Amino acid sequence: EIVLTQSPGTLSLSPGEGATLSCRASQSVSSSYLAWYQQKPGQTPRLLIYGASSRATGIPDRFSGSGSGTDFTLSISRLEPEDFAVYYCHQYDSSPRTFGQGTKVEIK
Amino acid sequence: EVQLVESGGGLIQPGGSLRLSCAASGFTLSNSWMYWVRQGPGKGLVGVAYSSSDGSITGHADSVKGRFTISRDNARNTLYLQMNSLRAEDTAVYYCAKLVRRGSRDDYWGQGTLVTVSS
Repeated sequence: EIVLTQSPGTLSLSPGEGATLSCRASQSVSSSYLAWYQQKPGQTPRLLIYGASSRATGIPDRFSGSGSGTDFTLSISRLEPEDFAVYYCHQYDSSPRTFGQGTKVEIK
Repeated sequence: EVQLVESGGGLIQPGGSLRLSCAASGFTLSNSWMYWVRQGPGKGLVGVAYSSSDGSITGHADSVKGRFTISRDNARNTLYLQMNSLRAEDTAVYYCAKLVRRGSRDDYWGQGTLVTVSS
């Protein structure tokens, strides 16, 4: 199975700052079948990015995804108060589907 | 409007069994691959099982293989997860989900049902 490793585990930032989250796969994710989810406490995960770089419906353009092969990045250009949450990467290239362990973006 | 509504969770003793159900509406279940994803307390997301649209192809995580079985009744628009020989480490919120996939950006999750395995 493809193991996804996210870094850092926790990112402490202030509103207005930019955030860069990394997701590294143990083997190549073909055709960039890589997604990013946001999850807030007590809520279900929300799809942000699919296909490594396409924003899901209704996702603000301050969120962007990039990368290919084994290295992927989620960038948030200017953190809004509602962006403080846990972010997971997810590969849907091969079964079993796998998730990264998550990166928590917290208020500094 | 797409809805996925899980039920069947609860408190169960180690070694016991539970069957989770997921009632789907607002889309055609018989055209959709479906997933069960769980999240332990304070933990991340873990894929548990998946089912092809007609149920002919299924898969289970190694941690639950031989104990859990995913199935579906497309006529009833319902997905199931039969969980046997439950262990403390199976304690989690279980989500039913129609996940993004090749050629489709649709991504829907139920609210989840809590399974607590404890004596």
